[in-house]
Amino acid sequence: AQSVTQLGSHVSVSEGALVLLRCNYSSSVPPYLFWYVQYPNQGLQLLLKYTSAATLVKGINGFEAEFKKSETSFHLTKPSAHMRDAAEYFCAVSDRFSGGYNKLIFGAGTRLAVHP
Amino acid sequence: DVKVTQSSRYLVKRTGEKVFLECVQDMDHENMFWYRQDPGLGLRLIYFSYDVKMKEKGDIPEGYSVSREKKERFSLILESASTNQTSMYLCASSPSGPISTMQYFGPGTRLTVT
Repeated sequence: AQSVTQLGSHVSVSEGALVLLRCNYSSSVPPYLFWYVQYPNQGLQLLLKYTSAATLVKGINGFEAEFKKSETSFHLTKPSAHMRDAAEYFCAVSDRFSGGYNKLIFGAGTRLAVHP
Repeated sequence: DVKVTQSSRYLVKRTGEKVFLECVQDMDHENMFWYRQDPGLGLRLIYFSYDVKMKEKGDIPEGYSVSREKKERFSLILESASTNQTSMYLCASSPSGPISTMQYFGPGTRLTVT
């Protein structure tokens, strides 16, 4: 069965510093991978997705992620954190139901705090 | 602009009550999902529907049921609410198609069972 592990339930950075949120997956087949963001009191919003094209994926709000098959990782980065980036971030892998329907398996989430 | 709406943002119910959570999407999507979100556990899939009147159990279906009578509406039902069902409930939808298809989420309903 596929699974997702997010290392670090809480990450704190200073404004302007590099953001690195870690995600490792296990999958027996080439995965499709996603990063979602959840701002306070809101639903989840897609940041970016990897679907076996380019290994470096660029998303919204300056975020990007690199798929590394050898490390089974899909870490999320942003060169310079902004206060508005404070949110919870979820990594997810796409899994196939029996019958061919897709579902997402989510990691536990990482809460990002950004300090002035 | 795509939109998934949920009937309530906050809900307080008593133990033993029957609870209905409603979700509506305006994108003509075939697939709809109900998740619960708990701290440290991420999102866990409760039920999934891939067509009107069709449903599949997710990872934690116990204590829940669902209804999909119309394509745009997917309801989650707690037959007899219990305190361990206090949680954030998120609805999502997606079109049918390749496995890479993303899901669109509603704003969530925070349910408290007392």
